[in-house]
Amino acid sequence: QVQLQESGPGLVKPSETLSLTCTVSGYSISSGYYWGWIRQPPGKGLEWIGSIYHSGSTYYNPSLKSRVTISVDTSKNQFSLKLSSVTAADTAVYYCARAWFGVDYFDYWGQGTLVTVSS
Amino acid sequence: EIVLTQSPGTLSLSPGERATLSCRASQSVSSSYLAWYQQKPGQAPRLLIYGASSRATGIPDRFSGSGSGTDFTLTISRLEPEDFAVYYCQQYGSSGTFGQGTKVEIK
Repeated sequence: QVQLQESGPGLVKPSETLSLTCTVSGYSISSGYYWGWIRQPPGKGLEWIGSIYHSGSTYYNPSLKSRVTISVDTSKNQFSLKLSSVTAADTAVYYCARAWFGVDYFDYWGQGTLVTVSS
Repeated sequence: EIVLTQSPGTLSLSPGERATLSCRASQSVSSSYLAWYQQKPGQAPRLLIYGASSRATGIPDRFSGSGSGTDFTLTISRLEPEDFAVYYCQQYGSSGTFGQGTKVEIK
């Protein structure tokens, strides 16, 4: 059973960098699939942020691409998200999830973690 | 960017009734790369349908998807109490965008 778990600070100051990690259990990231990040502002809809393959190949949402970096650490079976220059508009629940391809649907999701941007 | 518009915003129905949810794309979705998700309060989305009409593993057959091009539909043949939730469509043919959601509430 594939399980994903997000972790990271719940509060980030404006203009700083948001950093989150997703730990995968029940499946080796090195075996395949893409691994992605999706966010959901409180009371609003979903937004795909980007995805990564175990080789490091990435796909990003064009609207966020200039501020996003997704990386992978296969030795720890983890992948990470960095979002720079955050503002209050980046306040959201951030989910990590698994996909078959770089731009794809997501079949397994983490429970999500709320990140608030505030001074 | 392909914009997905879901309608209606809210659907008020009773258990046992049929639910029909619409997802319209601003331009054609290639190869029917469209998925549907169910989300309950405080939970992550759950994949229901991919490829416009293929049910995900473990999804009951009362959920069905149809459509192509710019018009897609999710149908729940007979609503069970656990089906009252918010439903999102997602296209993954060109970047990955989601609709704004349809809430299915108990009438």
